[in-house]
Amino acid sequence: AQKVTQAQTEISVVEKEDVTLDCVYETRDTTYYLFWYKQPPSGELVFLIRRNSFDEQNEISGRYSWNFQKSTSSFNFTITASQVVDSAVYFCALSEADNTDKLIFGTGTRLQVFP
Amino acid sequence: DVKVTQSSRYLVKRTGEKVFLECVQDMDHENMFWYRQDPGLGLRLIYFSYDVKMKEKGDIPEGYSVSREKKERFSLILESASTNQTSMYLCASSFQIIGGGFYGYTFGSGTRLTVV
Repeated sequence: AQKVTQAQTEISVVEKEDVTLDCVYETRDTTYYLFWYKQPPSGELVFLIRRNSFDEQNEISGRYSWNFQKSTSSFNFTITASQVVDSAVYFCALSEADNTDKLIFGTGTRLQVFP
Repeated sequence: DVKVTQSSRYLVKRTGEKVFLECVQDMDHENMFWYRQDPGLGLRLIYFSYDVKMKEKGDIPEGYSVSREKKERFSLILESASTNQTSMYLCASSFQIIGGGFYGYTFGSGTRLTVV
């Protein structure tokens, strides 16, 4: 069965701090996709990154970076030098290749960045 | 850019009413989805559709139905609204490139439904 766990319900940091959001997944498939979405107060989920199971390279995009480790079934997301605009709910999600197009979401982590 | 438009941002309905939530996408995506979002529960799949007139139950279909008469439109129907259906409803669409994998969803901005 596929499952995504985001153990951190809420995180509060002060601006310029680094913060890591954890994501642990479960799947029996060897081919799958992992995603991160951001949901700002406006409500719309915004796509941040997609990673397939064969690509374990870490990725950096500006202040955002992602650490994919198959050995621990984790796909963690780090924001460096956080800003108030990073305040949002962040969702990790999984899609198995044998069950394509269906995303299974974690319960989300609410990040609050204070000035 | 793909746009997914949900017709209402906020809705207040009475218990027992029939409620229609509308979703339209403008990029010819085959797949469309309805999720509800509740605190502590994340996003849960209600129904999805891979094509016109096709529908599949998700994880929590009870109390809901859907309609997809046109490719661009996917409607969620609450046959008789109840207070436990008060929630944020999110519509999404997606496509898949053959041989290229799945690229995730594009979401609408959500409809916050309150049933009183």
